[in-house]
Amino acid sequence: DIVMTQSPDSLAVSLGERATINCKSSQSVLYFSNNENYLAWYQQKLGQPPKLLIYWASTRESGVPDRFSGSGSGTDFTLTISSLQAEDVAVYYCHQYYSIPYTFGQGTKLEIK
Amino acid sequence: EVQVVESGGGLVQPGGSLRLSCAASGFTFSTYAMNWVRQAPGKGLEWVSTINGGGTITHYADSVKGRFTISRDNSKNTLFLQMNSLRAEDTAVYYCAKCRGYSGYDDVDYWGQGTLVTVSS
Repeated sequence: DIVMTQSPDSLAVSLGERATINCKSSQSVLYFSNNENYLAWYQQKLGQPPKLLIYWASTRESGVPDRFSGSGSGTDFTLTISSLQAEDVAVYYCHQYYSIPYTFGQGTKLEIK
Repeated sequence: EVQVVESGGGLVQPGGSLRLSCAASGFTFSTYAMNWVRQAPGKGLEWVSTINGGGTITHYADSVKGRFTISRDNSKNTLFLQMNSLRAEDTAVYYCAKCRGYSGYDDVDYWGQGTLVTVSS
């Protein structure tokens, strides 16, 4: 099974500042035949279902604000929020869909400092 | 507008059974794989099962293999999860989640609101 490890577990950032969340997979999620990383990022606000932010490691889902960006390849990935807004308070999960069983990171709780 | 609405959750005793349903609308149901993903109270997300668009290929987490069965009725735009031999550790909110593509080897691009399953005596 591919283990997804996020860091940090929790993060407090001031409004308007940058937030960075890291995700490391125990093996590569890069599929060489199409050069795509099978890695997504989700945002889950309190009491709500998850919402897709980023797929293929760096493709922003339609309607997601451009302050959210994803980067990385192979085994190391990053979700960056360029300028934190109050509505970004949530738990963020990375997710690999490269191989079954599909797995998620443990989540990173993002709060306002 | 894409909508998936789960139903069928509730309180069940250990060893009991429950059948979850997910009614889909706003997209061509048969052309997309579907998933069940669960979240225990206060915990993270756990993938449970995936079924391809045609209903011919299924995958399960080891934790539910042999006890849970995923299926779909494309004529009724409905996804199911039959859960047998339920255990306390199956207690969770169960989300119905749509894949981006037909095969299931895709990200989940839309999640339902979830239905709570509680296994307790």
